[in-house]
Amino acid sequence: QQPVQSPQAVILREGEDAVINCSSSKALYSVHWYRQKHGEAPVFLMILLKGGEQKGHDKISASFNEKKQQSSLYLTASQLSYSGTYFCGTQGTYKYIFGTGTRLKVLA
Amino acid sequence: NAGVTQTPKFRVLKTGQSMTLLCAQDMNHEYMYWYRQDPGMGLRLIHYSVGEGTTAKGEVPDGYNVSRLKKQNFLLGLESAAPSQTSVYFCASSQGAGWGNTEAFFGQGTRLTVV
Repeated sequence: QQPVQSPQAVILREGEDAVINCSSSKALYSVHWYRQKHGEAPVFLMILLKGGEQKGHDKISASFNEKKQQSSLYLTASQLSYSGTYFCGTQGTYKYIFGTGTRLKVLA
Repeated sequence: NAGVTQTPKFRVLKTGQSMTLLCAQDMNHEYMYWYRQDPGMGLRLIHYSVGEGTTAKGEVPDGYNVSRLKKQNFLLGLESAAPSQTSVYFCASSQGAGWGNTEAFFGQGTRLTVV
């Protein structure tokens, strides 16, 4: 039931790009993306709604394919501050389920 | 503006002991949630509430109870702690149903160790 994210972990150099995928076995009506720094609480990045367009947040953007029940997060020209664990979240009836998480490390 | 506040931040329990984690939000949100976070497993939903006086089970509710007597507070109880409940616990709140098109706000977490 928990959405599966891939890859589980990724290491980048500053300036490189990355893609994080989120796949659900259930129909998706919306997808949220959060980032969690080590030892901190998750922080909201963006929401993608069914039928909505691709969203962007600084150099981080995301897409949502309702038919494939998938969402992807795109990190362009990564910065050191992008390091953290990224979670997708999917909506159920009144409750919200998070994905398995992707650890991203950006090196100088 | 405090947002979502969890207490305590750290706690060590002995097996069999009980404790209550408190989550308080000052944003007048209807929906509140308790998650646990374990390495490699992401955030898993324990219980949630869609309004004052209501609670419902999430994905991993066994061994936990909750109460929402006041709209701003959501309590998570462990009646008889087990080592398997060692985890980091996060509370979250949101205004929208199932979150929908609204974001969720998280507390800073409670690191619980059961020995």
